[in-house]
Amino acid sequence: DIQMTQSPSTLSASVGDRVTITCRASQNIRSWLAWFQHKPGQAPKLLIYKASSLESGVPSRFSGSGSGTEFTLTISSLQPDDFATYYCQQYDNYMYTFGQGTKLEIK
Amino acid sequence: VQLVQSGAEVKKPGDSLKISCQGSGYSFSNYWIGWVRQMPGTGLEWMGIIYPGDADTRYSPSFQGHVTISADKSISTAYLQWSSLKASDTAMYYCARFRTMVTTLETFDIWGQGTMVTVSS
Repeated sequence: DIQMTQSPSTLSASVGDRVTITCRASQNIRSWLAWFQHKPGQAPKLLIYKASSLESGVPSRFSGSGSGTEFTLTISSLQPDDFATYYCQQYDNYMYTFGQGTKLEIK
Repeated sequence: VQLVQSGAEVKKPGDSLKISCQGSGYSFSNYWIGWVRQMPGTGLEWMGIIYPGDADTRYSPSFQGHVTISADKSISTAYLQWSSLKASDTAMYYCARFRTMVTTLETFDIWGQGTMVTVSS
């Protein structure tokens, strides 16, 4: 099975900060990686697909990069609505494994 | 385009259960649908996917044999079923649709609102 490891598990930041979350795959997943935002009481929301493609309607302050085994999600300038938990997900080879999540908290 | 899930359930250990996810606003038969579990205080876990057009189903090894995924394309509905619930099945369950038709090299863009399942004696 492909394992996905996110870091950090928790991140404290302030409005306006630039933040980066890292996701590592246990084997090469090419560019088959997505990022989701999840808030309590809501369904997860797709932000990025195919490692770096921005989903329609998602603000441009979100960006993704990487390929192979190492990927990053960057939020260029944190907004109050961005405090949530973020998950990466790989979708290669009929497997759809999520990372353990990164909780983004207000400093 | 939306997925609407059935309501919250409270069951006893050993009970059976079938929860549903109805799609609308798109060609239900042509998009893979997946199920995702979130246990209390934990992250997202992929359970399995189904292609309603021909009922092709793939399970996560972690859930194979523990749940059954099915679909009825005539009423645009996918299902997640247990034959004998355990307390450890207590969780929020989401259905979600792949972004594009047919291919399995995809992720989930449209999500249901979630169904909370509580299993307690």
